[in-house]
Amino acid sequence: DVKVTQSSRYLVKRTGEKVFLECVQDMDHENMFWYRQDPGLGLRLIYFSYDVKMKEKGDIPEGYSVSREKKERFSLILESASTNQTSMYLCASRPTSLSGNTEAFFGQGTRLTVV
Amino acid sequence: AQTVTQSQPEMSVQEAETVTLSCTYDTSESDYYLFWYKQPPSRQMILVIRQEAYKQQNATENRFSVNFQKAAKSFSLKISDSQLGDAAMYFCAYLRGNTPLVFGKGTRLSVIA
Repeated sequence: DVKVTQSSRYLVKRTGEKVFLECVQDMDHENMFWYRQDPGLGLRLIYFSYDVKMKEKGDIPEGYSVSREKKERFSLILESASTNQTSMYLCASRPTSLSGNTEAFFGQGTRLTVV
Repeated sequence: AQTVTQSQPEMSVQEAETVTLSCTYDTSESDYYLFWYKQPPSRQMILVIRQEAYKQQNATENRFSVNFQKAAKSFSLKISDSQLGDAAMYFCAYLRGNTPLVFGKGTRLSVIA
């Protein structure tokens, strides 16, 4: 059974804290993604990675950074958490399009509250 | 940039009835994929159905089917014989090559017993 695991389901952090959201996949997928989900705004892409040590900015990268030191792990970092980063964060992975497989798999989301 | 528009923030349907969720998209490409994802209260995103743009035949998965109109850039989802378990957020998504999925804003579907 394929799996994308996010380290926390719920997280409460204080303004100014450095926050790490971890995502691990066990499918040997090349591509990994971080999305932010807010009511009425759908899923917005923060960062993505096509391979180890590679990263690309998505549509809303401000205030975030990422790390991909190993193929299976993609971390989202909030350098200095702010209240406007209170949201649901979804991690996803997908094989490269060369595989012919287009299905993306998602973690169960981390609901982050910044107080 | 590609955009995906879901014009119905909320929909409701009686149990056992049929409902159609709308989705339009904007692209200049001819080869791409379209998806419908379901997100129940558990928050787990689940792939409902996939359509390849070069295939004229509309995709079907059990009670779920799509109406894919390539020229109109329209991709609607029809749910037949609606069940209580179909209540969820539904997201339409676009994929081109190895790029990230682009999502619409979602439609919240309620199923009335």
